[in-house]
Amino acid sequence: AQTVTQSQPEMSVQEAETVTLSCTYDTSESDYYLFWYKQPPSRQMILVIRQEAYKQQNATENRFSVNFQKAAKSFSLKISDSQLGDAAMYFCAYRSGFNTDKLIFGTGTRLQVFP
Amino acid sequence: DTEVTQTPKHLVMGMTNKKSLKCEQHMGHRAMYWYKQKAKKPPELMFVYSYEKLSINESVPSRFSPECPNSSLLNLHLHALQPEDSALYLCASSQSDRATNQPQHFGDGTRLSIL
Repeated sequence: AQTVTQSQPEMSVQEAETVTLSCTYDTSESDYYLFWYKQPPSRQMILVIRQEAYKQQNATENRFSVNFQKAAKSFSLKISDSQLGDAAMYFCAYRSGFNTDKLIFGTGTRLQVFP
Repeated sequence: DTEVTQTPKHLVMGMTNKKSLKCEQHMGHRAMYWYKQKAKKPPELMFVYSYEKLSINESVPSRFSPECPNSSLLNLHLHALQPEDSALYLCASSQSDRATNQPQHFGDGTRLSIL
């Protein structure tokens, strides 16, 4: 069975600085997808970024980028130029590429942003 | 603004009440999901509907009864709930269960409290 591990329950960063959130996963599959979701206090889960396992190039979305290390099964999220609005719970998630609906979530990292 | 709309936003009910949670999306998605999320925990998958048919039931107690009247609507009927069922209930949708690279889009959730 696949598992997703987020080893940092809480992180903090100063506004305008850079922070990296860690995520590791365990799978024997070769085809899969990885996602980072953000959940602010408003409750909605918002997709931040996604990565296809077959792509070697790391995904980037504006200030958000990932460091995808397939061999190490690592999928960290880097947030550059942190903003107060980035404060939220961040969940890493895994989805099999073999015709399944399940998103397997990590336990989450709470990010605080200080002015 | 969320593209997945959930009503009500908050619900307080007694253990003998019957109520329903509603979810609506107009993105043409053919897969819809119910999740339960306890405080400071990741979402837990409850049900998946694919093309209006129940495709996954994660051994959810029968006091939760899902219904998918059409491709845009998803209901969760509640009856005889227990205090431990108090949680945030999230609805999500995605293009289809076979489009595994497509992310799930989440609603704002319904905060349910059982007295």
